[in-house]
Parts: sequence; C-alpha cells; structure tokens
Amino acid sequence: DSGVTQTPKHLITATGQRVTLRCSPRSGDLSVYWYQQSLDQGLQFLIQYYNGEERAKGNILERFSAQQFPDLHSELNLSSLELGDSALYFCASSVPGSEFGNEQFFGPGTRLTVL
Amino acid sequence: KNEVEQSPQNLTAQEGEFITINCSYSVGISALHWLQQHPGGGIVSLFMLSSGKKKHGRLIATINIQEKHSSLHITASHPRDSAVYICAVRINYKLTFGKGTLLTVNP
Repeated sequence: DSGVTQTPKHLITATGQRVTLRCSPRSGDLSVYWYQQSLDQGLQFLIQYYNGEERAKGNILERFSAQQFPDLHSELNLSSLELGDSALYFCASSVPGSEFGNEQFFGPGTRLTVL
Repeated sequence: KNEVEQSPQNLTAQEGEFITINCSYSVGISALHWLQQHPGGGIVSLFMLSSGKKKHGRLIATINIQEKHSSLHITASHPRDSAVYICAVRINYKLTFGKGTLLTVNP
C-alpha cells in the first residue's frame, strides 16, 4: 500500500458525460501528479500540482481539468467524454521536490470505461 | 521516434536466471525512474536515479548519463517478478514513459 488513495476504483459512464476522479496523497506529500494509461498510448503525464498550484502540464486535453485543494487532495474532471477516454487514470504523490525530483508513490488507479 | 526506448518488449525467463532490461533516451534528463506494474494494474516505484547505481534486494539499476542509457537487472529471478517494467525519464518536471517490458518468469 503506497498511502495514496484514489476513488472510485471503477467508473462506467456514457459518451458525453462528465466524471470526477479523486486522489488523496500520502500524508506530508505536497505534489500530486495525474497520469493516463491507455492500451494504445501507454502511460502519459497529464498534470502536476504542488501545494495547490499547477506546476507542470503534459498531454492533458482541454476537456479535462484538475485542481488541488487546501487539504492537498486533488480532483481530475473529465467532461464531454469520448470512447477514447477509456483508460486507467493514476494519481501519484511525492514529497517536496529537489531540483531532480523525488520518488513518486502511485495510487491504485481508477479504471474509466466510456460506453 | 519515442524519447524513451525500452528493450526487449517481451522477455521470458526461467526461475533463477539473471535478467536485464534496457532503457535508452534521446534528450537531457534530470532523473530516470524504474517502475513495476503488476497484472492487477498497480504501479510501484522501484528506483529513481540521476547517476551511478542503486541496489535494492535482488534489483539493481544503473544509469550512464553520457550514453543516455539505463539498465535494470534482476538477480535470481522468481515467478513473482513477473510484471511489466517501465522506464520513465524526468524532463522539466514531467515524466515521459517507455512502453514497458513484459517479463514472465517461469518456475
């Protein structure tokens, strides 16, 4: 158990809908990262938050947004869902980073299925 | 061309064999991560390297910054080592991932 929690574990929804994925980092970790893992694209970095502020952005679609709250939990919002958004979504957290970054601890993931 | 290339894509070994998985990257990085993903989907961070070599139990990771290459070695492999091993490089706060190596260790 990494100490990072994600809810829900599974989510099945229809095209055009909107969902919210939730992540609670390890106690004391200020950074939260979101990743998408699909069969064709593999693992891709979406976005990072550090202590409530957006730190880095990756291949995140405009239909997706995220935020980190004062208690450091984070939410990833996916809207206007398409079939291709079906994937595993991972959250990871790390302690305050050095210049070279720190080890990341991954949550168990949320499996999103869009029908 | 992917920024991160792993080889081999698939690897089958007999229990007890020495395993090597390779990772090459094409740009300057600040760190390299090795991750393990089990069939259930969970991801575990094995190592983070910015230079040299690290060892944890039967796992050893090395990195050569000049050659832009890293290797993950597993000594005395065991069926429980069966998993996908993923290399990721850190560039400007972002991780870019290789496609992974599927390792199967048979008893």
